[in-house]
Amino acid sequence: ETGVTQTPRHLVMGMTNKKSLKCEQHLGHNAMYWYKQSAKKPLELMFVYNFKEQTENNSVPSRFSPECPNSSHLFLHLHTLQPEDSALYLCASSQVRAGGSVDTQYFGPGTRLTVL
Amino acid sequence: AQSVTQPDIHITVSEGASLELRCNYSYGATPYLFWYVQSPGQGLQLLLKYFSGDTLVQGIKGFEAEFKRSQSSFNLRKPSVHWSDAAEYFCAINNAGNMLTFGGGTRLMVKP
Repeated sequence: ETGVTQTPRHLVMGMTNKKSLKCEQHLGHNAMYWYKQSAKKPLELMFVYNFKEQTENNSVPSRFSPECPNSSHLFLHLHTLQPEDSALYLCASSQVRAGGSVDTQYFGPGTRLTVL
Repeated sequence: AQSVTQPDIHITVSEGASLELRCNYSYGATPYLFWYVQSPGQGLQLLLKYFSGDTLVQGIKGFEAEFKRSQSSFNLRKPSVHWSDAAEYFCAINNAGNMLTFGGGTRLMVKP
């Protein structure tokens, strides 16, 4: 699957570190998303970017900072995380059409984050 | 508020047996429904989707799902399960605009 790529695939960091997750989509889409997948919890939407503009922040703590420099790239900057932030972070992309009609989201393989 | 319920957290079936995974939703308008599959350590792969039209939709890997408005359900089926189908399966509904709400997932185990 090369449509949506994420790096790194695994990341271990201390609570005082600063790191970034990267996502790149090769599908020509104009919307990108960050999701968090924790053990025993449903997938949680974190952020939505439409046309490089953030349109949704699902009450995410400020220690998570997204950046979308263009429609193909999405970053999640991490700083002073907590152990409970350990999870699989998934990126997705989709095409948002005129009128906001629905289209399918395509997911990357995820970054497995462990916070010590 | 919209929600998705997958009543079965774990299901075990024998290889070659038929499979049905349940999905119920709560949504006031016409739903857009999806099934995704996640293998261990991987992202989500789209199996199939329902937007409109024929209520029986075909997907990849021999899966199909049937939309039943009267029962608010979108169950996933496969007539004969293969060992490689062992994975976690997620049902999702599109709510406002382009945002998905996911169910809690069903973990499928396949016995040889």
